[in-house]
Amino acid sequence: NAGVTQTPKFRVLKTGQSMTLLCAQDMNHEYMYWYRQDPGMGLRLIHYSVGEGTTAKGEVPDGYNVSRLKKQNFLLGLESAAPSQTSVYFCASTYRGQQNYGYTFGSGTRLTVV
Amino acid sequence: KQEVTQIPAALSVPEGENLVLNCSFTDSAIYNLQWFRQDPGKGLTSLLLIQSSQREQTSGRLNASLDKSSGRSTLYIAASQPGDSATYLCAVRGFPRGSTLGRLYFGRGTQLTVWP
Repeated sequence: NAGVTQTPKFRVLKTGQSMTLLCAQDMNHEYMYWYRQDPGMGLRLIHYSVGEGTTAKGEVPDGYNVSRLKKQNFLLGLESAAPSQTSVYFCASTYRGQQNYGYTFGSGTRLTVV
Repeated sequence: KQEVTQIPAALSVPEGENLVLNCSFTDSAIYNLQWFRQDPGKGLTSLLLIQSSQREQTSGRLNASLDKSSGRSTLYIAASQPGDSATYLCAVRGFPRGSTLGRLYFGRGTQLTVWP
């Protein structure tokens, strides 16, 4: 089925550990995004990419790195996890220039840092 | 910077009521506007998308309107049902160029509860 797939769905990390969240889309979308969602804070943009090989910082990029080596994949890395990074992470994607086309979201990754 | 506000933050209504959720944005230069639904512990499901040149879109019991000049959108839900209980999010997309390239701006959502 076409869509945005996030792996893993759940993860518990210890403080200081590293991990990579994978987002994959099979719709040939140019744009891809990583958001985090916390109670009372809404959705906040971490990083985004407007094309293969390009990335840009969003509102809350500190503590995260990203890579977009292939058009269909967008990786979010946590080099040294902190409890403040406990959150639900969502990936999204869309086409660059289709005004009648919206964003497709993945089902989320629930991350707990202890 | 685009700011998106949703009012009310929470709404509780009895089944069968028609209701309106509001979304306002500060910069009228938008590419499109999208309404999402989010159930507890779940991802975002797209409900309706309105292009900047359009005034409204309808899907079943849902109708979304857009008044770009005043920076407002409303989501109208007819004959509400308990299954409509969820958080509704409004998101505004900037034009795919310049400083708004690739940007999507979210409101904080309206948490809707429809009780039997």
